[in-house]
Amino acid sequence: GAVVSQHPSRVICKSGTSVKIECRSLDFQATTMFWYRQFPKKSLMLMATSNEGSKATYEQGVEKDKFLINHASLTLSTLTVTSAHPEDSSFYICSAPTDTLGETQYFGPGTRLLVL
Amino acid sequence: AQSVTQPDIHITVSEGASLELRCNYSYGATPYLFWYVQSPGQGLQLLLKYFSGDTLVQGIKGFEAEFKRSQSSFNLRKPSVHWSDAAEYFCAVGKGGSYIPTFGRGTSLIVHP
Repeated sequence: GAVVSQHPSRVICKSGTSVKIECRSLDFQATTMFWYRQFPKKSLMLMATSNEGSKATYEQGVEKDKFLINHASLTLSTLTVTSAHPEDSSFYICSAPTDTLGETQYFGPGTRLLVL
Repeated sequence: AQSVTQPDIHITVSEGASLELRCNYSYGATPYLFWYVQSPGQGLQLLLKYFSGDTLVQGIKGFEAEFKRSQSSFNLRKPSVHWSDAAEYFCAVGKGGSYIPTFGRGTSLIVHP
């Protein structure tokens, strides 16, 4: 099946710094990618839809200035957590569909962010 | 808005026993439904999906699920569980009639030898 990678797999940073997380589709192109946040023992929450060549679409309640999304190419989307605080600590997961209809999503392995 | 309920936080079964994980959805029209499995260190993997047609859906790894409109359910089943099936299982419904999954809170499957 298709492969989606994320980098880094885990990151620890100090409060107030910014952290960039990359999501790459390794063997297919994706005009759309999705970013999720997963809290411990909780469901995945869709944060935003990343669109290649245009602005991301954010879900209600997600701060677009806090979570900057850039879809630089057909194989790369980045999520930057700006001025991170301890409450931003979480597991961030991206996904990408392999077809234009989006019937099948492939998920990255996730990035564990810990803000001290 | 659409939503998914997975009433069981944890399920414990013995290896070789049968398994059923429950999922109830809320959506006004015919939903798109999914089951994913999440293992530590690995991305979510799609087990199976239902869009239309036959209400009994076969998936990978010996899993199947049955869509029951009258019960608003999409329960996941496996006749004989293997120790490697221990993982977190998520049911999902397509967001607003799309294919973008909206996830339930997950059910943690524990398999005893």
